[in-house]
Amino acid sequence: GQQLNQSPQSMFIQEGEDVSMNCTSSSIFNTWLWYKQDPGEGPVLLIALYKAGELTSNGRLTAQFGITRKDSFLNISASIPSDVGIYFCAGQGNTGNQFYFGTGTSLTVIP
Amino acid sequence: ETGVTQSPTHLIKTRGQQVTLRCSSQSGHNTVSWYQQALGQGPQFIFQYYREEENGRGNFPPRFSGLQFPNYSSELNVNALELDDSALYLCASSLGGGGAGGDTQYFGPGTRLTVL
Repeated sequence: GQQLNQSPQSMFIQEGEDVSMNCTSSSIFNTWLWYKQDPGEGPVLLIALYKAGELTSNGRLTAQFGITRKDSFLNISASIPSDVGIYFCAGQGNTGNQFYFGTGTSLTVIP
Repeated sequence: ETGVTQSPTHLIKTRGQQVTLRCSSQSGHNTVSWYQQALGQGPQFIFQYYREEENGRGNFPPRFSGLQFPNYSSELNVNALELDDSALYLCASSLGGGGAGGDTQYFGPGTRLTVL
């Protein structure tokens, strides 16, 4: 099935630094979702994007729906220790309702 | 709190057995999707149900089957368990159904299945 390429695979940053990660697809998507997952738990929705070019914020998190509709970006500003976890992007096309997930970005914040 | 619950939390089975996992969606959400997440991987789509009918299926064999009920609950059944079926199984509910995007999925906490 569809595979989303998510990068970087892992990040180690100092507390207070900003973080950027992205997700690319070979197909056009109509919806992009960003999730955070803690070990052994289900993914928690962070931001939902529905329109090409859309820029949406949720506190220190900002995500953008790429103009080509084949990519999306997530930025975290002023990282804190509780930002630690695995971040997944998920995209949905215009045929069917299936969401395709990225491979995840593992974030470690060093106090 | 997503309003999506799953049971059981953990389960241990042996190869060849059958298992049923349960999910309770958010009230009003007509669509439920099931995912398998192996350790260190992203969730992989198993199938989706919309108003009690299967509405899409990923690359999983027929021994993975499901049911959705009118009370927003659903089941994932796996027959003839194999060692590789060991994973976190997630359900996600959404309003969905239109097939034209614009949907948002909310996940439950998952069921950790171990096959010995």
